Amino acid sequence: EAGVAQSPRYKIIEKRQSVAFWCNPISGHATLYWYQQILGQGPKLLIQFQNNGVVDDSQLPKDRFSAERLKGVDSTLKIQPAKLEDSAVYLCASSLRRLATGESEQFFGPGTRLTVL
Amino acid sequence: AQRVTQPEKLLSVFKGAPVELKCNYSYSGSPELFWYVQYSRQRLQLLLRHISRESIKGFTADLNKGETSFHLKKPFAQEEDSAMYYCALSGRRTTDSWGKLQFGAGTQVVVTP
Repeated sequence: EAGVAQSPRYKIIEKRQSVAFWCNPISGHATLYWYQQILGQGPKLLIQFQNNGVVDDSQLPKDRFSAERLKGVDSTLKIQPAKLEDSAVYLCASSLRRLATGESEQFFGPGTRLTVL
Repeated sequence: AQRVTQPEKLLSVFKGAPVELKCNYSYSGSPELFWYVQYSRQRLQLLLRHISRESIKGFTADLNKGETSFHLKKPFAQEEDSAMYYCALSGRRTTDSWGKLQFGAGTQVVVTP
C-alpha cells in the first residue's frame, strides 16, 4: 500500500514570498491533517479535513495560511506571505477514522522542510 | 488547557539497559494516549496506544490516571531503538477532539553499544 505522499520535500524562499505544499493521502482515507513542526518541538495540528470539508482549523493562522481539499482527496497548504517564523517541517497525515471500530491511526507523510530567509 | 509534557529532551542509555521515557499530560476528561516514533530518515509512525494494551518491539506504556502519566518503558534497550519518541493525546472516540493529536516536544533516545 502506498503511503502518504508530499511534495516538494524541501523549499527555500525569502520572507514575503508565497509557497504551496501538496499532499496525496492514502487511498480511501477520508480524514486528512496538516501539521507544523518547528525545530525542537512536536507537531502542531493546523487543520483537519473530513472528505472535502474542514473539521477544525482553529490553529491555522488564517491571515496568511490557507488550505483546501477540493475533491476530497489531494490537499494543498499555502502560505502567503511567508514570515521567518514559518520555517518548519510541514507534515501531512491521513486516517480512516472508523467510529464503529475506534480505528483512527494516522499515517504520516515524509514532510516538507520549509526555510524562510 | 490540554498539554503534553516530555521532560527529557535527550536520553542516552547503554545497550541492554532499561529505558523509560516520561510523559505527563493535562486534559479535562479521559484522553486517548499514544506514543509515536521517528527513526532516522523515516516517517513519524505510531508505536503504541494505551487502549490496545500491547507490547510493541518490547515497549510497554501504562496509563496512570492518578498521576496523569503515560511513561514508555523497555527492559532491555537495543541499538535499533535509537530514535525520536513523541507522546501524544487526543479526545476519546465519542468526542469532537477524537483524532486531533496534541504532541509533546519529543525525547531523543540514543542507545550506545
